[in-house]
Amino acid sequence: EPEVTQTPSHQVTQMGQEVILRCVPISNHLYFYWYRQILGQKVEFLVSFYNNEISEKSEIFDDQFSVERPDGSNFTLKIRSTKLEDSAMYFCASAGTGDTGELFFGEGSRLTVL
Amino acid sequence: GNSVTQMEGPVTLSEEAFLTINCTYTATGYPSLFWYVQYPGEGLQLLLKATKADDKGSNKGFEATYRKETTSFHLEKGSVQVSDSAVYFCALRINAGNMLTFGGGTRLMVKP
Repeated sequence: EPEVTQTPSHQVTQMGQEVILRCVPISNHLYFYWYRQILGQKVEFLVSFYNNEISEKSEIFDDQFSVERPDGSNFTLKIRSTKLEDSAMYFCASAGTGDTGELFFGEGSRLTVL
Repeated sequence: GNSVTQMEGPVTLSEEAFLTINCTYTATGYPSLFWYVQYPGEGLQLLLKATKADDKGSNKGFEATYRKETTSFHLEKGSVQVSDSAVYFCALRINAGNMLTFGGGTRLMVKP
């Protein structure tokens, strides 16, 4: 069964370092997303991406964040200069259509900023 | 703004017990409502959904009814199994698109 895969599963980094989280969406999907969940808090929307550009982003997704689809398969989230409060589980998701609410999520990448 | 509130977990039940996980929402428009489930070691996956008032979503023995008058979408199952142990997330969507607003998640543990 097709699935969304994310790497790394866990990354520990020092504050101020750049981090790239990688995702391989389901191959025929066209819509891509990043969500995050800070420990003990809600899953929050970060950004959606379609047709090689950002279609929506939340207030959380500031200039420190960027997304890219560098080739036909990977979808990456970059955090330029990590802060302690960026520590969270980051979920990648993809969808075949843009408006059903059915997203397919990866297992998540846990980011710990020290 | 839009928000979703779920009962806090963990919820611990014995096999074959009745399950209710409460979910209420606040929304500026007329949302679509969803339940997602995350099994251990896996990503979130859609369990069921309802797109308008009084709709009932159902899947794998789980049900939830969209109650506009009480702004609720409670998840129920008549007889839980050990394999239902997971984290359950209630979510809403206001406009077309896939930007979901999630609740905090409720962990369910079912004991044999």
